[in-house]
Amino acid sequence: RKEVEQDPGPFNVPEGATVAFNCTYSNSASQSFFWYRQDCRKEPKLLMSVYSSGNEDGRFTAQLNRASQYISLLIRDSKLSDSATYLCVVNSNPSNTGKLIFGQGTTLQVKP
Amino acid sequence: DAGVIQSPRHEVTEMGQEVTLRCKPISGHDYLFWYRQTMMRGLELLIYFNNNVPIDDSGMPEDRFSAKMPNASFSTLKIQPSEPRDSAVYFCASSFTGNTIYFGEGSWLTVV
Repeated sequence: RKEVEQDPGPFNVPEGATVAFNCTYSNSASQSFFWYRQDCRKEPKLLMSVYSSGNEDGRFTAQLNRASQYISLLIRDSKLSDSATYLCVVNSNPSNTGKLIFGQGTTLQVKP
Repeated sequence: DAGVIQSPRHEVTEMGQEVTLRCKPISGHDYLFWYRQTMMRGLELLIYFNNNVPIDDSGMPEDRFSAKMPNASFSTLKIQPSEPRDSAVYFCASSFTGNTIYFGEGSWLTVV
């Protein structure tokens, strides 16, 4: 089983739609979680961290479910510019603080 | 402020040749990471350093790969001899305290 798993998609949605991605992780001791965004032929960039209580940044909401070992990203009122690959990132070993593991990514295409 | 700087941006080389990828992390960052990205395997962590010391190299595919960090502002990833299956985008990234990481623009390697 992979340490971090995501549905690769693609998710094709119309502008204005709400879309949600899930990501599961295997190490129950993981402590840090993030969502990164990667545009085609570009480097990944931090979208948002994921906090235990859940957090929101504009149209983006991230949630953590420790019991089921998954994190989610909700995008409301999607824009054409949201088209990208969204990468789930987990610190897989809390005693090894630098070891961030990336999921395969979920591709989102927002259509006019 | 300058981000993570990688060179070369693109390299095409023949099988069997030595390849050296270079990285300058963000000034003040104490973690440096080398990732490889392919369509099939996604973003894989190869090795990371903390304060110039290699911490985890379990992702390095085989002995043909080596990485060094002689000082806080420079790292290299070397492949010798290169093979076609090494063709990928190699990202260097850095962070302060090992959480949010910032990527360079990547080195696009093609081995023919």
